[in-house]
Amino acid sequence: DAKTTQPPSMDCAEGRAANLPCNHSTISGNEYVYWYRQIHSQGPQYIIHGLKNNETNEMASLIITEDRKSSTLILPHATLRDTAVYYCIVGDDSWGKLQFGAGTQVVVTP
Amino acid sequence: NAGVTQTPKFRVLKTGQSMTLLCAQDMNHEYMYWYRQDPGMGLRLIHYSVGEGTTAKGEVPDGYNVSRLKKQNFLLGLESAAPSQTSVYFCASSSPGLLRNYEQYFGPGTRLTVT
Repeated sequence: DAKTTQPPSMDCAEGRAANLPCNHSTISGNEYVYWYRQIHSQGPQYIIHGLKNNETNEMASLIITEDRKSSTLILPHATLRDTAVYYCIVGDDSWGKLQFGAGTQVVVTP
Repeated sequence: NAGVTQTPKFRVLKTGQSMTLLCAQDMNHEYMYWYRQDPGMGLRLIHYSVGEGTTAKGEVPDGYNVSRLKKQNFLLGLESAAPSQTSVYFCASSSPGLLRNYEQYFGPGTRLTVT
């Protein structure tokens, strides 16, 4: 069974912030939230991860709700190169076995 | 650094043929993974390795074998290819340690068609 639920697609205007939601209502206390993206035909690319606190790096910000049942990935200023499928993944497996769902197809338009 | 490289990039096989996909990484990573991605779907883990000489089954291991004789290389073998194995195969690697194994670096993929 899928551990995360994401909308299948969303559009975003270039230069605007893209807010990608993810539902993980069954997340357990020791599971982290990870985000990857896959630009067409390429291998996935790690973006960011978090446990409880909000996180930010050079690519994006991750906002996790207090009850940890959902999170939002924020691309602050979307560019055309951000068009990709974005995957939200939860897990605590120490061997790093990622479980990819279908993800969200994000299309950034001029 | 080249990162993670995969050989070959494309391959067409006939049903019943065998082949080996090679993955190489130059980042001195301990962990390596093989995934497959079918059209319109997310990646699924086939096999993985947590160190030289070790391998373990992932989510969809049937029909595949792997070997990790050298730390930098991870081989994926198809002994008798079937049309159901038509897919894009991705290799990844990561460092061990708390959470680092989730920051995986992926190769460009191998597109395999079995007719």
